[in-house]
Amino acid sequence: DTEVTQTPKHLVMGMTNKKSLKCEQHMGHRAMYWYKQKAKKPPELMFVYSYEKLSINESVPSRFSPECPNSSLLNLHLHALQPEDSALYLCASSQDNRANTEAFFGQGTRLTVV
Amino acid sequence: GENVEQHPSTLSVQEGDSAVIKCTYSDSASNYFPWYKQELGKRPQLIIDIRSNVGEKKDQRIAVTLNKTAKHFSLHITETQPEDSAVYFCAATNPPSNTGKLIFGQGTTLQVKP
Repeated sequence: DTEVTQTPKHLVMGMTNKKSLKCEQHMGHRAMYWYKQKAKKPPELMFVYSYEKLSINESVPSRFSPECPNSSLLNLHLHALQPEDSALYLCASSQDNRANTEAFFGQGTRLTVV
Repeated sequence: GENVEQHPSTLSVQEGDSAVIKCTYSDSASNYFPWYKQELGKRPQLIIDIRSNVGEKKDQRIAVTLNKTAKHFSLHITETQPEDSAVYFCAATNPPSNTGKLIFGQGTTLQVKP
């Protein structure tokens, strides 16, 4: 299994809503990532988890809250988002957090904030 | 920190021609350089990567070259086909931070005309 699975595929939420994005991998990878991608732009790193601990927060606003319940799961909790947060949210995983290991991306959650 | 520049931003070729996309990076300590292909509405998928101890790598119609002295690397696609049309991102990772963080170029939209 070389898949990173994200749910939901699409999400529309209001600015007062609370929602969560989910990501799962069963490749035994110990590093997991959240990226945000705007149209026609490269993915931008948001968070890195290494061995279930948060190792990087790229100065992301607190309305985005990551969680890593176990080595296979990664969540992104959303609260009080703004319309400019609308984007494709990509989860990725790699064997570990060494800088020369392949990252596998999920298919993304396309988020629209209204 | 690491900075990756990618050129050109758009590239249009006739089917059967070759396509070349170039990237430069700023941090001489970077040691892993993946290339991702992203079709419209889909996830980025790794198509080829190269590590700093190698100068060239080839996989069928795709090749990547790395010049560490000049700090640039290039993607070469030969005998292009319409299904090669996509956005291509180069990336580099910065090992001293040991985070697995990918720094992406801005992307190249490749159009292969039948």
